[in-house]
Amino acid sequence: AQSVTQLDSQVPVFEEAPVELRCNYSSSVSVYLFWYVQYPNQGLQLLLKYLSGSTLVKGINGFEAEFNKSQTSFHLRKPSVHISDTAEYFCAVSESGYSTLTFGKGTMLLVSP
Amino acid sequence: DGGITQSPKYLFRKEGQNVTLSCEQNLNHDAMYWYRQDPGQGLRLIYYSQIVNDFQKGDIAEGYSVSREKKESFPLTVTSAQKNPTAFYLCASNNPGLLGHTGELFFGEGSRLTVL
Repeated sequence: AQSVTQLDSQVPVFEEAPVELRCNYSSSVSVYLFWYVQYPNQGLQLLLKYLSGSTLVKGINGFEAEFNKSQTSFHLRKPSVHISDTAEYFCAVSESGYSTLTFGKGTMLLVSP
Repeated sequence: DGGITQSPKYLFRKEGQNVTLSCEQNLNHDAMYWYRQDPGQGLRLIYYSQIVNDFQKGDIAEGYSVSREKKESFPLTVTSAQKNPTAFYLCASNNPGLLGHTGELFFGEGSRLTVL
């Protein structure tokens, strides 16, 4: 069965600093990987996804993620964060051929001036 | 614009009362899902439905009920049997039958239920 681990529950960072949110998954088959963002009291919005091909995936709002099959990771990065990036970020995985999406417990990104 | 509409956005109820949360989608998706979100616990699946008039329990179905009489609609009832109903509830949908389906979910804006 697939599972997702987000190692950090909270990541505090100063504005304009770089950030990395970590995500590791476990699965015995090929996977699709996703990052969603959730602003306070809102639903989840897709940030980016890896389906196949290039392991570096670019998403909205300047975020990118890199799929590393050997380390079973899909870490999210942004070179310079803004106050408006303060939100909760969820990593999710689905296995090829199945429709169920498994979520990590989320990482709260706290950007301060 | 196509999307998922949840209502109400905020809901207050007294303990012991049943409450129904609405979820409507116009994305023509076959599958619909209800998740519960509590701080630090991520998203937990309550119920899902892959076709009209059929639905399955998720990981935390106790104290909840659903119906799927129309493709567009998947209401969730939080019954008085749910011991801890105060939470943020999210509805989602996708199309598992599509060739090349990846599992990607599309979410509504959520409903926050507070039981007093």
